[in-house]
Formats: sequence, structure tokens, C-alpha cells
Amino acid sequence: EAGVTQFPSHSVIEKGQTVTLRCDPISGHDNLYWYRRVMGKEIKFLLHFVKESKQDESGMPNNRFLAERTGGTYSTLKVQPAELEDSGVYFCASSHAGVNTEAFFGQGTRLTVV
Amino acid sequence: GQNIDQPTEMTATEGAIVQINCTYQTSGFNGLFWYQQHAGEAPTFLSYNVLDGLEEKGRFSSFLSRSKGYSYLLLKELQMKDSASYLCAVRDARSWGKFQFGAGTQVVVTP
Repeated sequence: EAGVTQFPSHSVIEKGQTVTLRCDPISGHDNLYWYRRVMGKEIKFLLHFVKESKQDESGMPNNRFLAERTGGTYSTLKVQPAELEDSGVYFCASSHAGVNTEAFFGQGTRLTVV
Repeated sequence: GQNIDQPTEMTATEGAIVQINCTYQTSGFNGLFWYQQHAGEAPTFLSYNVLDGLEEKGRFSSFLSRSKGYSYLLLKELQMKDSASYLCAVRDARSWGKFQFGAGTQVVVTP
């Protein structure tokens, strides 16, 4: 079974540009989460999808961030326009339906805004 | 909100035992998770406690006391490959898809 995959693994962009990160969850996982780790800080929750619906987007920093999960399969996280403080590692995780289920993480996308 | 505290770094020798403590303050609680993360890799699930007590899984055990807001991860018979960051994470009771992570404890295993 393939794990959670994220693309790209690294991205370096200039301030003001747009970047789109992609996450392919484990097949059949209804729950998909985005997290972010800024340098030196803990991993922080961004948002949670159940299928194609946003269950909780309380962690999204501002309206420069847009997450979508059309069709309830893969998800994208777009940052437009990117700012220096957006640099960090963006993790995606997925899990089966149900409350007490294990979440599997992808390797993350390292985003550097210069 | 939630605060999760764990030590920044711990060092131990191969074959030894290390205990990583985690304390949390939360307005809601629905389970405490431990993840292992090697540099540049995905966090991988180690254990999950929702009730008080000890959960044992091979060389790894995790303990939870909800009344004290306290958990620990015990790593026995340390191996060099256990050198990694260990993340304590609390699941929010109000938003069950949401985890609050600690900053992680870097464990360094020496020969």
C-alpha cells in the first residue's frame, strides 16, 4: 500500500510568487490534514478535510492560503502571494474515517521563500 | 488553547533505556499520540493512549495519566537507529481531526 505522498519535496520561490503543494493521501482515507512546521517551532495544524469538505480550517494563517480537495481524493494547498514567513515544512496526513484512528504522514514539502 | 511541553534533547547509550516525558494542558482531550521522526522523513506513528495506564509495544511503551496531564514514552534496549525526534501530540476533543504537537525531543543514541 502506497503511503501519503507529497509533491514537490522542495520548493524555492521568490516573495510574491505563487506556489501550489500537492498531497495524495492513502487510498480510501476520508480524512486529510495539512500541518506546517516553521523553523524551530512545533508542527502546527492548518486544516482538516473529511472527503471534499473542510471540517476545520481554524489553523489557516490568513487568506493567502487556499486548500482544496476536489473529488475527495488528492488535495492542494496554494500560497498566493508567498511571504518570507511562509517558509517551513508543510506536512500532509491522512486517516480512515472514525475518531480514534491513526494518522499517517507524508514526508513533507520544504518551502523556502526568498 | 493547549500547551505541550517535552524536553528538547536527551542522550543515551546503545542498549540503555530512555524515558521522554510530556506534559500537557488542554481544555479538551481525546487521546495522546507519540510519533517518531527521522531527519527529513515523515513522522511515523508509535503509540496512542486514551485511557490511563501503560501501553506496551515491543521495545516502546507509553504511559498516560489524564488527571496529571502527563505522558511518557519509554524506549528500551536502545539501538542506533532510534536516534530521532520524538513528538508528543494531543488530539483535540472538540475537533477530532486536529492534533496539537509538542516541539519534539531529539534523542541521540551513542555507541
